[in-house]
This record gives sequence, structure tokens and C-alpha cells, in this order.
Amino acid sequence: NAGVMQNPRHLVRRRGQEARLRCSPMKGHSHVYWYRQLPEEGLKFMVYLQKENIIDESGMPKERFSAEFPKEGPSILRIQQVVRGDSAAYFCASSAPSVYLHTGELFFGEGSRLTVL
Amino acid sequence: GNSVTQMEGPVTLSEEAFLTINCTYTATGYPSLFWYVQYPGEGLQLLLKATKADDKGSNKGFEATYRKETTSFHLEKGSVQVSDSAVYFCALGETSGSRLTFGEGTQLTVNP
Repeated sequence: NAGVMQNPRHLVRRRGQEARLRCSPMKGHSHVYWYRQLPEEGLKFMVYLQKENIIDESGMPKERFSAEFPKEGPSILRIQQVVRGDSAAYFCASSAPSVYLHTGELFFGEGSRLTVL
Repeated sequence: GNSVTQMEGPVTLSEEAFLTINCTYTATGYPSLFWYVQYPGEGLQLLLKATKADDKGSNKGFEATYRKETTSFHLEKGSVQVSDSAVYFCALGETSGSRLTFGEGTQLTVNP
């Protein structure tokens, strides 16, 4: 499967624990985006990263949330001290190099569903 | 800022019925417009897109026309199937940015 790979697909955490969600972009893609889908709602942009750089984090909550995309390995979305309101589906998407960005087409993974007890 | 408004769902139709899901947008500049589809338990898949005014995107019998004068990108299909049951998202791609702005999604259920 050469698509966007996310893991884990399902994650259960208790309040106060940490959640780490991983995303490997499509082969050849160097841009990664994270979106959050709360129950019964649409997708909300969180952060856009390139290798070793955060390009746009305007959708990230100011506290407890962080994201990285290291030179080697997958992108990681980290949520510290989770609360029940963090329960959601977190989707990662990737896109080809910047020359194509103006068309905006993104390729999505199947999502990681976080449940906070 | 940019925004996308979709008709509220859920929408329930019988097989072979005509489908319209309304989408309007607010944006500066000349964005690209998209429809994505999400099947149960899956991620979003691009259904169709249009990159400039008066363009028509089409795929799998679905169509949408980029109407700049009415700032709309309504999704239509002449004859829906049970397999079309999914959530449909209208989205806007910023001309100089990196993100997609999504509407709230419309749940479509097609009954046999």
C-alpha cells in the first residue's frame, strides 16, 4: 500500500496520559498535514509540516499539542495530558512538492481514532 | 477568512434518485474547489475538483461546476446508488496557502 499510513488506527487513553499518533506520507510526498474531526463535525486544520519544519501551525491548540516531521521517520502528532475533549479522529494527509500546492489536492490516511476515558 | 458552507444533512434518498448537495464558499482570490467523500471508517478520498471559474469537475457520475458569480460548487448526480452512501465534504484550497478548508460534511444514505 503506497498510500498515507497512519497508526495506531485506534488509541484509548485515560485522562492525563499522552497520545502519540504517527503518519507516513505517500511515497515521494514531502508535505504533511494534520486535521482533527470531532464527532458529528467537519475536519479542522491543525498543522502543516515539511521535513524538519513546521510551516503553518495556526490550527494547533496553544497547549498540550505538538507536531514534528523529522528528517527520518514518520510525522508525529503528540497530545500531552489528554482530556475527554481530545477524543476525535485525527487525519493525516500528504501532498506532492510545492509546485502542485496551488491546486490544494491532499491524499488522506484512514485516520487515528483517539478515545479518552 | 475563508469558509465553506454545506447544506445540512443527513440526506436520505432512494436508489436512482437525483442528488444535489449544496456548497457555497467565501474566499479571497481565486481558490480551487473540491469534493471529498468519506466512506464509513475510512479516510477522505478526492471525488472531483475544479481549479477555476466555470470549470466542471466530474467523476463516477458526480458533477460540480465552479460558479464564481454565486460562489457555489454544488454536487450533483443523476442517479444515486446504495454504494454512494457516505459523507461528502466540500473544500476550498487557498491559492497561496497550504491548507484545505472543509465544510461540515453531508451524510448521504441511499436506500435500495
